[in-house]
Amino acid sequence: SAVISQKPSRDICQRGTSLTIQCQVDSQVTMMFWYRQQPGQSLTLIATANQGSEATYESGFVIDKFPISRPNLTFSTLTVSNMSPEDSSIYLCSVSVSGGLTFFGPGTRLTVL
Amino acid sequence: AQTVTQSQPEMSVQEAETVTLSCTYDTSESDYYLFWYKQPPSRQMILVIRQEAYKQQNATENRFSVNFQKAAKSFSLKISDSQLGDAAMYFCAYRSEGADKLIFGTGTRLQVFP
Repeated sequence: SAVISQKPSRDICQRGTSLTIQCQVDSQVTMMFWYRQQPGQSLTLIATANQGSEATYESGFVIDKFPISRPNLTFSTLTVSNMSPEDSSIYLCSVSVSGGLTFFGPGTRLTVL
Repeated sequence: AQTVTQSQPEMSVQEAETVTLSCTYDTSESDYYLFWYKQPPSRQMILVIRQEAYKQQNATENRFSVNFQKAAKSFSLKISDSQLGDAAMYFCAYRSEGADKLIFGTGTRLQVFP
């Protein structure tokens, strides 16, 4: 298994500002993933973050809005830029480990006013 | 593209009873994984159970078991002896062999009554 922590756990932000969410894993992993869960909705993959290369974004998500860093095998950040109320969501970091299992962090609840 | 469908937005069960949550999926692949995740109000996504498509035997984890019907592309979750702590959103998810991203269904909210 993998133990994943996220910071902050929640935040309330003003429109037009940016927030960076941190994700830390207790073991080295090749791929880390960022998901968004809008209120009352399911999870949607934003991007896949590989160490040492550019993140791969899913359709509908762009790097200018959701820049991602992956400086090493245990850490990643997701920035939500120029926020609007529509960005209010839970953002979850996840990792895949050997055996085909995927584990999630506790999530960051973001509210944009 | 693969899709996952959960047709039950809400379900309820009496404590100690059994409940089954439904999930169907669409894929042209032969090798893949299926998962059930639980999300309580704390919002933490908790892995409940996993099924490899190449395995005919249904996965079980204590009170949780699945009915995997590959030909019908069906993957239901059975919760036996339901407990109050089972109350949560349950998401069915699909993952291709060789890929790492998960495709989620829309979820089923399970209520457990004493």
